[in-house]
Amino acid sequence: DAKTTQPPSMDCAEGRAANLPCNHSTISGNEYVYWYRQIHSQGPQYIIHGLKNNETNEMASLIITEDRKSSTLILPHATLRDTAVYYCIVRVATGAGSYQLTFGKGTKLSVIP
Amino acid sequence: DAGITQSPRHKVTETGTPVTLRCHQTENHRYMYWYRQDPGHGLRLIHYSYGVKDTDKGEVSDGYSVSRSKTEDFLLTLESATSSQTSVYFCAISGQRERSYNEQFFGPGTRLTVL
Repeated sequence: DAKTTQPPSMDCAEGRAANLPCNHSTISGNEYVYWYRQIHSQGPQYIIHGLKNNETNEMASLIITEDRKSSTLILPHATLRDTAVYYCIVRVATGAGSYQLTFGKGTKLSVIP
Repeated sequence: DAGITQSPRHKVTETGTPVTLRCHQTENHRYMYWYRQDPGHGLRLIHYSYGVKDTDKGEVSDGYSVSRSKTEDFLLTLESATSSQTSVYFCAISGQRERSYNEQFFGPGTRLTVL
């Protein structure tokens, strides 16, 4: 079972920041939070990941609460091409250095012109 | 582009027939994964590989087998396809460069229909 909870859908005006929340209250101390997105039926695309500290890259920012029980993905200036399903994932080690990504149902983000 | 392809991209088959899906990568990634995605759901891990001839089960492995005889190819086999295995199958890879140890790159998917 997915270890995360996300709202099923959200709207965001084009050009505005999109803030996507995620709850992961049972996360363990060494488990990372990952965000992926899936546009139409394409393969999921990696966005960002973090452990404790806030992270930023060219696509987005990830804000993790101090207790690590929740996080927020921020797309600073949403465009129509950001319309997708966004998955918040807790990465679980499977052994031999590999890991499993357990996808929940995600948040369907619709960017409105 | 992480150099990952899947074949076939679409397949229709009948119940009880064997089916093999292929995942091919060109960048020497160590880890390879097979997921399935059903309507309205996220992806679920079927099997994964952590090296040539080294594989293990994921959360939904019943009815599936895998093989990895060389680094670049990871095969998923349905020995006797059932209608419940109608799904979109995604392959993923990771572990070629420092950055990609933290990223799984996904292929374009194979849409399988079992009649």
